[in-house]
Amino acid sequence: DAGVIQSPRHEVTEMGQEVTLRCKPISGHNSLFWYRQTMMRGLELLIYFNNNVPIDDSGMPEDRFSAKMPNASFSTLKIQPSEPRDSAVYFCASSQERGRVQYFGPGTRLTVT
Amino acid sequence: AQSVTQLGSHVSVSEGALVLLRCNYSSSVPPYLFWYVQYPNQGLQLLLKYTSAATLVKGINGFEAEFKKSETSFHLTKPSAHMSDAAEYFCAVIGVGTSYGKLTFGQGTILTVHP
Repeated sequence: DAGVIQSPRHEVTEMGQEVTLRCKPISGHNSLFWYRQTMMRGLELLIYFNNNVPIDDSGMPEDRFSAKMPNASFSTLKIQPSEPRDSAVYFCASSQERGRVQYFGPGTRLTVT
Repeated sequence: AQSVTQLGSHVSVSEGALVLLRCNYSSSVPPYLFWYVQYPNQGLQLLLKYTSAATLVKGINGFEAEFKKSETSFHLTKPSAHMSDAAEYFCAVIGVGTSYGKLTFGQGTILTVHP
């Protein structure tokens, strides 16, 4: 199994630009999670989906952030417009179902200048 | 709401010494608990999980953790540290009720292993 796949692994962009992060969950998993990791706030859950439906987006910091899951094998996290304080590592994770073990991707390191 | 607290943001041990990383949880119901490890510039990897079966849980790389309800603890141990164990370790709890499926992480403990 290839595990959770994220792209790009690194992204450097200028303030105000749109950023799209991508995630392919493990085949057969029906829950998908987006996390953000920073030194100041640690690991934070941004949003999660179950069977492609957003269940809880209370962790999304503001309207500049949006996430979609058009099908069971693909999800995106979009930031528009990006700001320097969005610089962080963004992780995607998937699980067979809610409440089961979550498997993490390698992360996308985002730097907004 | 479920939460976990990791005591000690940094732990330093000598190679071959006992590793003890502390985690205490808060939960209104029997919790499902996890330990993850993160090596530099990598994602999180599951070390072990407690899901209300045996209270002593064995994981990968020689790590184990014991669930103690009386102490609300789930400390991670390894009898003999190896240089390759140097990493950041996270304790986490699965939410219940309206938070079902959400993982809440502790702040992490950075383990340093000295030769």
